[in-house]
Amino acid sequence: QVQLVESGGGVVQPGGSLRLSCAASGFTFSSYGMHWVRQAPGKGLEWVAFIRFDGTNKYYADSVKGRFTISRDNSKNTLHLQMDSLRAEDTAVYYCATVLIVVVSGTNDYWGQGTLVSVSS
Amino acid sequence: QSVLTQPPSVSGAPGQRVTFSCSGSSSNIGAGYDVHWYQQLPGTAPKLLIYGNDIRPSGIPDRFSGSKSGTSASLAITGLQAEDEADYYCHSYDSSLSVYVFGTGTKVTVL
Repeated sequence: QVQLVESGGGVVQPGGSLRLSCAASGFTFSSYGMHWVRQAPGKGLEWVAFIRFDGTNKYYADSVKGRFTISRDNSKNTLHLQMDSLRAEDTAVYYCATVLIVVVSGTNDYWGQGTLVSVSS
Repeated sequence: QSVLTQPPSVSGAPGQRVTFSCSGSSSNIGAGYDVHWYQQLPGTAPKLLIYGNDIRPSGIPDRFSGSKSGTSASLAITGLQAEDEADYYCHSYDSSLSVYVFGTGTKVTVL
């Protein structure tokens, strides 16, 4: 079955860096675009970044543009989010998510369990 | 600030029908981009309820239905159940900003 497992979250000081990873399995990772989505404590969902299946195009929310970098390693079925110049307002649970994909059970998208990033001094 | 606006909350008694909107603009919903709807229970990842404006993934009860008209989309829940109490988000693409966007979210309360 499709599985996404995030890792790399933790506590970091303002101005610091963190690299999130998302290990994918159960589908042809190299065929599908991937998103990062975050949710600050008690707040709504915020889309962060998207990368095409082959990594050729990347898109970012204005709030993270120039500070975050999305990337992928299709040979390792892994998605990454490099987060630099972190701010308190980046504190959130970060989810990786697939675009709509077609599996045996039909069309759906899939999300990881989320990893918490806390930016605090 | 999201470009997709939803009412903060709606409520209904068990068995009732509730509907709520996702209001966008000519650069997102009105431009023809698909709207997806998610349900999020506390402490869990969002779950896809509707994709492509009105299509339910396998396993989603037919009590949930989506529609789209002009620059808005709507989600309807019929036969409201206690387990439907959750946060709901719409999701689409905005061509003027070249970004994906989520709605502001609607909290559904079952009275």
